[in-house]
Amino acid sequence: EAGVTQFPSHSVIEKGQTVTLRCDPISGHDNLYWYRRVMGKEIKFLLHFVKESKQDESGMPNNRFLAERTGGTYSTLKVQPAELEDSGVYFCASSRRRGTTEAFFGQGTRLTVV
Amino acid sequence: GESVGLHLPTLSVQEGDNSIINCAYSNSASDYFIWYKQESGKGPQFIIDIRSNMDKRQGQRVTVLLNKTVKHLSLQIAATQPGDSAVYFCAESPGDTGNQFYFGTGTSLTVIP
Repeated sequence: EAGVTQFPSHSVIEKGQTVTLRCDPISGHDNLYWYRRVMGKEIKFLLHFVKESKQDESGMPNNRFLAERTGGTYSTLKVQPAELEDSGVYFCASSRRRGTTEAFFGQGTRLTVV
Repeated sequence: GESVGLHLPTLSVQEGDNSIINCAYSNSASDYFIWYKQESGKGPQFIIDIRSNMDKRQGQRVTVLLNKTVKHLSLQIAATQPGDSAVYFCAESPGDTGNQFYFGTGTSLTVIP
């Protein structure tokens, strides 16, 4: 089965611009998560979808970040307007059920805001 | 808040030797402790987990030890191979809130041939 895929793999944008990251989870996985790793620091939770519903968005940094999962399939994470501190690697993960410790991660999108 | 940290940011070992990667955590209420491995250009990949009511769990060439008294978690890799070179993250999970893992900063393991 195909793994979690993320697009693009890299993105370089200017401060103030908008960027949209996409995540395609493993087929059949209702649970979808976004995480972010700022260089050299820990991987931090952003939010969790169960199907199309936001289950927990406590990790979203501020209202410049908007995540959607229309139809409960793929998800997008939009940053508008982007700031320098938004630079980092954004990971998406999916799992079939809640409570499992084995989430499947995508390769990440490296976002650089200049 | 959660705090999961690692004692050393980098570790180098000779091929064939055993590796030990350490991690400290702060949340005694965590139900699971997990190790993930991230190879260059890839996302984190699950290695092994341990529930809070256990103190040791073994997998294939890996062993995780949990010391709740001192809030310490370690990952032991036996007969380390070049393919083990990666960044290793420990993580903790409450277990019932849907995979909101709290990750550490990662330890970069380099295997010297």
